[in-house]
Amino acid sequence: NAGVTQTPKFQVLKTGQSMTLQCAQDMNHNSMYWYRQDPGMGLRLIYYSASEGTTDKGEVPNGYNVSRLNKREFSLRLESAAPSQTSVYFCASSAGNEQFFGPGTRLTVL
Amino acid sequence: RKEVEQDPGPFNVPEGATVAFNCTYSNSASQSFFWYRQDCRKEPKLLMSVYSSGNEDGRFTAQLNRASQYISLLIRDSKLSDSATYLCVSEMDSSYKLIFGSGTRLLVRP
Repeated sequence: NAGVTQTPKFQVLKTGQSMTLQCAQDMNHNSMYWYRQDPGMGLRLIYYSASEGTTDKGEVPNGYNVSRLNKREFSLRLESAAPSQTSVYFCASSAGNEQFFGPGTRLTVL
Repeated sequence: RKEVEQDPGPFNVPEGATVAFNCTYSNSASQSFFWYRQDCRKEPKLLMSVYSSGNEDGRFTAQLNRASQYISLLIRDSKLSDSATYLCVSEMDSSYKLIFGSGTRLLVRP
């Protein structure tokens, strides 16, 4: 089992560009999450999906959209990237209390 | 004020030392608590859950004090491999939405 996978691992964007971060899990989990991690801030929840077909905003949703494509996949889209979105993005999935994280995507917006 | 607060450290201790981290949470409605471990440039992984009665897993002991709204993690007989950042986490209302502290960094030296 690969667990939670994320692509790409690294990305550099210019302000105003768009991109989609991909996440997939093979653990048959219902819930999936997107977080961002900034120095000194801890992980902050951007969006989550409690089950296939549902998505909800987290603490910092502005500037992002998500799609729960199926039970396995949960993508995060930046429509018009801004320097404030420079961060490390983690996807996670869970079927209970424990969340399993992907390896992260390091995004830099110039 | 952050919902979950931790001393960022770093705590620099020799091998074999006992070290303790504390964490405070502001929302009395928080129901579940966890410690996650995050190695440098890696994803967080669950270390242990925290119960009101306290729980122990080998060299690690976690305690919860609901009256004072703090959580602790004790590491005995520190190993070099314990060097990492330890994230204190609370969960609201069984929604599986986690609130992360910004982490406490531990360095164990030979």
